Amino acid sequence: SQQGEEDPQALSIQEGENATMNCSYKTSINNLQWYRQNSGRGLVHLILIRSNEREKHSGRLRVTLDTSKKSSSLLITASRAADTASYFCATDGETSGSRLTFGEGTQLTVNP
Amino acid sequence: DAGITQSPRYKITETGRQVTLMCHQTWSHSYMFWYRQDLGHGLRLIYYSAAADITDKGEVPDGYVVSRSKTENFPLTLESATRSQTSVYFCASSELRRETQYFGPGTRLLVL
Repeated sequence: SQQGEEDPQALSIQEGENATMNCSYKTSINNLQWYRQNSGRGLVHLILIRSNEREKHSGRLRVTLDTSKKSSSLLITASRAADTASYFCATDGETSGSRLTFGEGTQLTVNP
Repeated sequence: DAGITQSPRYKITETGRQVTLMCHQTWSHSYMFWYRQDLGHGLRLIYYSAAADITDKGEVPDGYVVSRSKTENFPLTLESATRSQTSVYFCASSELRRETQYFGPGTRLLVL
């Protein structure tokens, strides 16, 4: 089964609103990453947060990590139509070797 | 242009045929990965490689073969294509173990 699971599966908001996506995972991790995938394209790395970090920012992105709850959230502030994409979390898992395990993603639609 | 490329971008083949998907990266990254992406399954790891001549199975390796004679290339071969291998295939590379992965644009494969 997938290590990371995103919630919700789909999210539709208006431009200017904030979007929050959540990721839950099952085993201990060293780091957790978020990726974006525009329709028909490859995944693009957004941000990496390590297990000893609780919050990280990058531009309009804010990621939090709660290792006690095995969960992470990705907040996109002041969303734009160009943020429309699928967002995936990926976890390494302490026993996963060199791999990352991806969730099934949240499809975000930002309406102009 | 530097980066990670995949070829072909689109491929139609018939059941039973051998197909090879190519992946090339210009960064000299040690780690390379092959994923398949299907609706309802997210991104699943097929094979990965930690260095030239070192490969290992991922989550769904059956029916696939990989090789890595040079650091920059990581071809994926479907020995005898089946309809269930119809998918979008992504190659990725990473400089460090369990860190940021850089994805190619994908190959859309249809097996008739």
